[in-house]
Amino acid sequence: DQQVKQNSPSLSVQEGRISILNCDYTNSMFDYFLWYKKYPAEGPTFLISISSIKDKNEDGRFTVFLNKSAKHLSLHIVPSQPGDSAVYFCAAQGAQKLVFGQGTRLTINP
Amino acid sequence: SQTIHQWPATLVQPVGSPLSLECTVEGTSNPNLYWYRQAAGRGLQLLFYSVGIGQISSEVPQNLSASRPQDRQFILSSKKLLLSDSGFYLCAWSAGTSLYNEQFFGPGTRLTVL
Repeated sequence: DQQVKQNSPSLSVQEGRISILNCDYTNSMFDYFLWYKKYPAEGPTFLISISSIKDKNEDGRFTVFLNKSAKHLSLHIVPSQPGDSAVYFCAAQGAQKLVFGQGTRLTINP
Repeated sequence: SQTIHQWPATLVQPVGSPLSLECTVEGTSNPNLYWYRQAAGRGLQLLFYSVGIGQISSEVPQNLSASRPQDRQFILSSKKLLLSDSGFYLCAWSAGTSLYNEQFFGPGTRLTVL
């Protein structure tokens, strides 16, 4: 049972444009959501998070939106840069554990 | 500052051989510790987590085991490796007292079972 889903395995965006990565979840008990960025052969690095009591959190070029009624969150990156090319994982927290999505590979084209 | 170490970085093992992967955390006390596996083309699967010394929770039935002999040491083991154990293994920690559970990952170990 996949409680956190990233339905797009890959996304290609032109440099300077907006990248939008999506994530859906099924468990309404999740109270905290995170995005991680992962380069090949490295561990994921924490990017940005949002509490379930908020609907938006912004940090520089990165903004995460949460729609609790739709059980959907998204990560916006604007403007996209070549260094943003990586795999992005969304994760949801429940009971001291994180449940990860399958990841979306973002490629930024020059 | 806190750092997390994993070794080895890469490992090639024959089927049926034992496994021991080690993870240590510095700069924090009583962390929560986690072992994940990322299989090729798949997401991050939680294998084990620990909230204290000697306390291990297993998330999925499998050929692997975990131990936490010291506060900041987490070990992933197997007595006999299977081909399906190949993957990228990640250790992570989070602050034991935090309400919101940001986890921080180590560099990972690439395991290939032949």
